[in-house]
Amino acid sequence: SQTIHQWPATLVQPVGSPLSLECTVEGTSNPNLYWYRQAAGRGLQLLFYSVGIGQISSEVPQNLSASRPQDRQFILSSKKLLLSDSGFYLCACTGGVSTDTQYFGPGTRLTVL
Amino acid sequence: AQTVTQSQPEMSVQEAETVTLSCTYDTSENNYYLFWYKQPPSRQMILVIRQEAYKQQNATENRFSVNFQKAAKSFSLKISDSQLGDTAMYFCAFRLFFGNEKLTFGTGTRLTIIP
Repeated sequence: SQTIHQWPATLVQPVGSPLSLECTVEGTSNPNLYWYRQAAGRGLQLLFYSVGIGQISSEVPQNLSASRPQDRQFILSSKKLLLSDSGFYLCACTGGVSTDTQYFGPGTRLTVL
Repeated sequence: AQTVTQSQPEMSVQEAETVTLSCTYDTSENNYYLFWYKQPPSRQMILVIRQEAYKQQNATENRFSVNFQKAAKSFSLKISDSQLGDTAMYFCAFRLFFGNEKLTFGTGTRLTIIP
């Protein structure tokens, strides 16, 4: 089965600073990859998804961008963080034995001050 | 667009009892999947159970089972013999059978198991 790694686990950044969150997947090839954000006390919001290298679809216009430089690597970035970017960021993938179920990584807690 | 509604923000139950979490959804499509995810204090999302809409039989996974009522667009989760480790946020989620596999989540139910 697939394993999803995310780092860093926690991050505190000042407003206006850049951001790079990384997600890597083991145990499957050619997965679909997803970035979700969870604001405090709320459900998950899909930010980006990717069906292959270099293929990124954005669900919500925002201050963030995503890239997929390798088959099992998904990166979430920002040039200048806003206070509203604070939240819990989760990477998910489908693939391997189950192509219809998304499995999630451990997440990154981002606080923008 | 699909929507998922969880009308119970919080629930609590005594250890070893049975609890049912409610979920309703709205879609005009006929083929889709439904999921329940658990988010414990560690905040990692863990798949609890899934249901294919074309299957009439309700899915079960050990102490977890669902009551899937397609006509009513209802998908409730029953936890039997609840354990302290079941304390978590529970999210209901929907995705279409075809398409980009986007998951639409409800707002969650915070479940507390009381010793």
